[in-house]
Amino acid sequence: GENVEQHPSTLSVQEGDSAVIKCTYSDSASNYFPWYKQELGKRPQLIIDIRSNVGEKKDQRIAVTLNKTAKHFSLHITETQPEDSAVYFCAASRSGGGADGLTFGKGTHLIIQP
Amino acid sequence: DSGVTQTPKHLITATGQRVTLRCSPRSGDLSVYWYQQSLDQGLQFLIQYYNGEERAKGNILERFSAQQFPDLHSELNLSSLELGDSALYFCASSVSSDQGNEQFFGPGTRLTVL
Repeated sequence: GENVEQHPSTLSVQEGDSAVIKCTYSDSASNYFPWYKQELGKRPQLIIDIRSNVGEKKDQRIAVTLNKTAKHFSLHITETQPEDSAVYFCAASRSGGGADGLTFGKGTHLIIQP
Repeated sequence: DSGVTQTPKHLITATGQRVTLRCSPRSGDLSVYWYQQSLDQGLQFLIQYYNGEERAKGNILERFSAQQFPDLHSELNLSSLELGDSALYFCASSVSSDQGNEQFFGPGTRLTVL
């Protein structure tokens, strides 16, 4: 099955700086890569996703890049703000029938220092 | 609020017991997914139902079972509970059976097995 590795496990950045979280996946058939943000005690919420036919996607301060050859995708957050503090999860899945569900990375605890 | 509801919010029970967790998907969503979140295993996909039928299976133990009813709500049954089953159980829903679509997570049920 799919295996998703996520790094780093903890990331501390100064407010206003950029943060980058990296994930690798093992199944070359995976073609859907969402990122979820989870605040303490709350539900995971989708913040951005990317499909394998796209190399990069942006939404305001958030961007995701995908390198299919290297089986690697990354989340970039620019101009970080205190409300960005949370745990971020990457995930991978095969879109279409027969998929085994989202496989999540272990999460990155992002801490924004004031 | 994602529109996905889960009951109960908290559940405390003893080893060997059986519990039922309930989930109501967003209006119009036909797929329901169950996930287990624990400190050591992270977020793990358990099972997916689409319009009443099992669609995909993940790391679900034989002691666990689920079903989706004609009104599309779903129940996750956990039996012969062990200490290691203590976790946060999330339900998510999406509009189609394709796992390449955004999944909306409910608030979760925190299960504590004593």
